[in-house]
Amino acid sequence: EAGVAQSPRYKIIEKRQSVAFWCNPISGHATLYWYQQILGQGPKLLIQFQNNGVVDDSQLPKDRFSAERLKGVDSTLKIQPAKLEDSAVYLCASSLQGSPLRSPLHFGNGTRLTVT
Amino acid sequence: DAKTTQPNSMESNEEEPVHLPCNHSTISGTDYIHWYRQLPSQGPEYVIHGLTSNVNNRMASLAIAEDRKSSTLILHRATLRDAAVYYCILRDPLAGNMLTFGGGTRLMVKP
Repeated sequence: EAGVAQSPRYKIIEKRQSVAFWCNPISGHATLYWYQQILGQGPKLLIQFQNNGVVDDSQLPKDRFSAERLKGVDSTLKIQPAKLEDSAVYLCASSLQGSPLRSPLHFGNGTRLTVT
Repeated sequence: DAKTTQPNSMESNEEEPVHLPCNHSTISGTDYIHWYRQLPSQGPEYVIHGLTSNVNNRMASLAIAEDRKSSTLILHRATLRDAAVYYCILRDPLAGNMLTFGGGTRLMVKP
């Protein structure tokens, strides 16, 4: 079984620039998550999709972050404009069913973003 | 805020058992206890989860206290590849029933 694919692996941008991350979940996984992990901290959920609909985006800073999952498969997360505090690893995860209680999350290896 | 309390770090010797504790004194009756681990430069990976009874799988065992206010992840024979950050996680109703990660325990394994 192929895992969750993310690209790029690393990205360096200047503040106020824009950036986009891409995620391809495990085939057949209806639920997709984006997490932000700041160095030394645990991952923080940004947004959850069920197929192509948003289930939870309460932690997403909507003034600068956006995410979409067209066709209910792969997803992109965008930051525009980036701030220094956005430097982090952005992790994508997917699961078979909507509830993490019943279906474990499978994570990609993330995109490490550095904002200078 | 995270609803679990874990030690920041622990050390173990290779090939010895490791007991990773987690306190969750405010756990609700329907919260499941999940454990994930994160190896260096990788995303977290699922380890095990349980509700009330002890659970075993090929990776680890989960021992849950009778009052459910604490649990212990048991690695039966630690290897160098088990060096990682281990997260004990409860379903968080305030975060839309999603899994909310805390700081975790960094496990170091000595040869």
